[in-house]
Amino acid sequence: KAGVTQTPRYLIKTRGQQVTLSCSPISGHRSVSWYQQTPGQGLQFLFEYFSETQRNKGNFPGRFSGRQFSNSRSEMNVSTLELGDSALYLCASSFGTSWDSGANVLTFGAGSRLTVL
Amino acid sequence: AQSVTQLGSHVSVSEGALVLLRCNYSSSVPPYLFWYVQYPNQGLQLLLKYTTGATLVKGINGFEAEFKKSETSFHLTKPSAHMSDAAEYFCAVSGSNQGGKLIFGQGTELSVKP
Repeated sequence: KAGVTQTPRYLIKTRGQQVTLSCSPISGHRSVSWYQQTPGQGLQFLFEYFSETQRNKGNFPGRFSGRQFSNSRSEMNVSTLELGDSALYLCASSFGTSWDSGANVLTFGAGSRLTVL
Repeated sequence: AQSVTQLGSHVSVSEGALVLLRCNYSSSVPPYLFWYVQYPNQGLQLLLKYTTGATLVKGINGFEAEFKKSETSFHLTKPSAHMSDAAEYFCAVSGSNQGGKLIFGQGTELSVKP
C-alpha cells in the first residue's frame, strides 16, 4: 500500500512569507504527527492530529499551525517565515493516536525541505 | 521529563565489523523505546521498538537492541556491517506522561568503510 506522501518535497520562500505543507497518510491511518528536523535542534515534535482534532502540541510559536481534514489528510502552515524556520518537515501517520499510547508506531514520509532566504 | 542521549554523533566501522550505537534514556515512567534509520533525502524508517516483554528486540536488516532498565540503555547492534547500513540512526523514547510524542536523540551517523 502507498506510504505517507508529503508535498511539496522542496520549496524556497523568503522571510515574511507563509507556507503550507501537505501530508497524505497511509490509507486507514487516522493520526498525523508533524516533526521539524534541523541540524542544530534535531527532531522536534510540532503537533499531532487525530480525527480532525489536535491532540498534542509541541513547544513552537503560534506561527506554526495545522489542521486535519475528514479524509485524514493534514496540512501545516507557517506564517511570517523566519530564517530559522529552514528545516526538513516530517509528517508521520499511525492508526491510533500517540496521545493514548506511547507504543504507537509512526510511519514517516520523506519530508518537505523548506529553505527560507 | 523524558530525554535521550546518543553517545557519538559519528561512528565509523569497517564492512563486516560489529556495529554498536549507544542510546541512554531518562524517563520517570516505563518507557517505550524506538530506533529509526534515516537515509539521505528520505524520512525515518522504523528499525525496531521495545514496548513490553522480551528485553532483547530484533528488528529489520539484522539489527537488534537490548533494553536494560538498570542501565537506562537501549543500545543498537548488528554483528556484521554492510555498506548499505551507512545512514543516520535515531533513538527515541515515548511514554504516557507526554502524550506519547516521540523524544529523539541527536542522531548518530554511521559510516561503513570497505
